[in-house]
Amino acid sequence: DQQVKQNSPSLSVQEGRISILNCDYTNSMFDYFLWYKKYPAEGPTFLISISSIKDKNEDGRFTVFLNKSAKHLSLHIVPSQPGDSAVYFCAASGGGADGLTFGKGTHLIIQP
Amino acid sequence: DAGVIQSPRHEVTEMGQEVTLRCKPISGHNSLFWYRQTMMRGLELLIYFNNNVPIDDSGMPEDRFSAKMPNASFSTLKIQPSEPRDSAVYFCASRQGQGIRTEAFFGQGTRLTVV
Repeated sequence: DQQVKQNSPSLSVQEGRISILNCDYTNSMFDYFLWYKKYPAEGPTFLISISSIKDKNEDGRFTVFLNKSAKHLSLHIVPSQPGDSAVYFCAASGGGADGLTFGKGTHLIIQP
Repeated sequence: DAGVIQSPRHEVTEMGQEVTLRCKPISGHNSLFWYRQTMMRGLELLIYFNNNVPIDDSGMPEDRFSAKMPNASFSTLKIQPSEPRDSAVYFCASRQGQGIRTEAFFGQGTRLTVV
């Protein structure tokens, strides 16, 4: 049973527009959430995180929103740039488990 | 720092052979994780260590898989005997702090192909 779900395998967005990537989780014990970005033939790299005591965290063009009641988080990228084309993974931890539980990823394609 | 270093980058082996994947975590990090990535299951946590001690190996698929961390700067993941369904990309990651909400840093991965 998947505890972290990314229901969109791919997303295509025009350069300069907003990219919104979504993630849902089922484990109410999760209290820390992260987004990773992955290019082909490379390992995932950390992008941004949010603790469950917050509902928003912003870092430059990247903002993560957390809706605990809906067990949903989203990553907003504004404006989208060609270099943002990658696979984005949502991850969560908590409930005494230190390991990160990952979603299956969303392949973001930025169209020129 | 060079980051998390994994070797080899690619490994092709025949079914039944022993495979050993290696990882050097970032210096000063005391948590180490092994993940496996497949198309079907995405990124799965296999095992993680805190201060060189295995904490949770519930993700290790079978007894054919074993992992060790003899010291703070080295870990291995061994598969014996290997099977074609073990073909995947294996990632090692490390993190500073135990139970602290910080990010983990990943290596570039080892692409394993078992034929």
